[in-house]
Amino acid sequence: EAQVTQNPRYLITVTGKKLTVTCSQNMNHEYMSWYRQDPGLGLRQIYYSMNVEVTDKGDVPEGYKVSRKEKRNFPLILESPSPNQTSLYFCASSPRNDYEQYFGPGTRLTVT
Amino acid sequence: AQRVTQPEKLLSVFKGAPVELKCNYSYSGSPELFWYVQYSRQRLQLLLRHISRESIKGFTADLNKGETSFHLKKPFAQEEDSAMYYCALSKGGGNKLTFGTGTQLKVEL
Repeated sequence: EAQVTQNPRYLITVTGKKLTVTCSQNMNHEYMSWYRQDPGLGLRQIYYSMNVEVTDKGDVPEGYKVSRKEKRNFPLILESPSPNQTSLYFCASSPRNDYEQYFGPGTRLTVT
Repeated sequence: AQRVTQPEKLLSVFKGAPVELKCNYSYSGSPELFWYVQYSRQRLQLLLRHISRESIKGFTADLNKGETSFHLKKPFAQEEDSAMYYCALSKGGGNKLTFGTGTQLKVEL
C-alpha cells in the first residue's frame, strides 16, 4: 500500500533530551516536508526537501533539524526539545512540484 | 510574504443547506491554491486544487484574483462533510505550502 509512515505516533519526553521522529514513504516521491499543527495556528511548514541531500527551511525551522540521505526517509530531529515544541507533527511527500502532498498519520509530541 | 486567511474557526450548518468556507490570500505572484480536508481520525488529504477546475464530493472552488479569494462551496451539505478544512497556497509549486488556520465544518441533522 502506498503510504507515508511516521514513528513514533505518540511521544512524551523531557526538556533537552534529543529525539528523532522518523518519516518514510514508499511512493518514490522526490519531495518531502515536515509540518507542525497547533490550535489556532493551523499547519506550518518546518522544513522541506526537494531531493536527496537537498533541504530548505520552511516557515518555522528554529529548533529543528532534518536530513535526507535516502529518497524514502526524511527524519525530523529535535536536538534539545523545549515545551514550546509540544505539537502534532505531520510528514508529507509529493512526486514533484504541483502535485498533491500525501500526509502521514501524525506524531503527537509532548515536551515537559 | 504569502498569507492565507480563513476567518471562520467553526461553521455550523444544517444538512441540505448551502456551505461556503471562506479563504482569502495575499501573494504578489500567480498563486496555486488548494483545499485540504481532514476527516475525524483520518489523514489530511487533498480535496481539490484550482488548476484542475473540478468538483470533488460536490465541492467547488473558484479563484477570484480580484478579490484574492478561493472560497469553497457546496450547494447541499451532507453529514459526511463534517471535517476540518484547510485552504493552502503554493508559491511556484506544490511542495512549499502555506496553510490557513482551518475551518471546522459541522453539519447538523
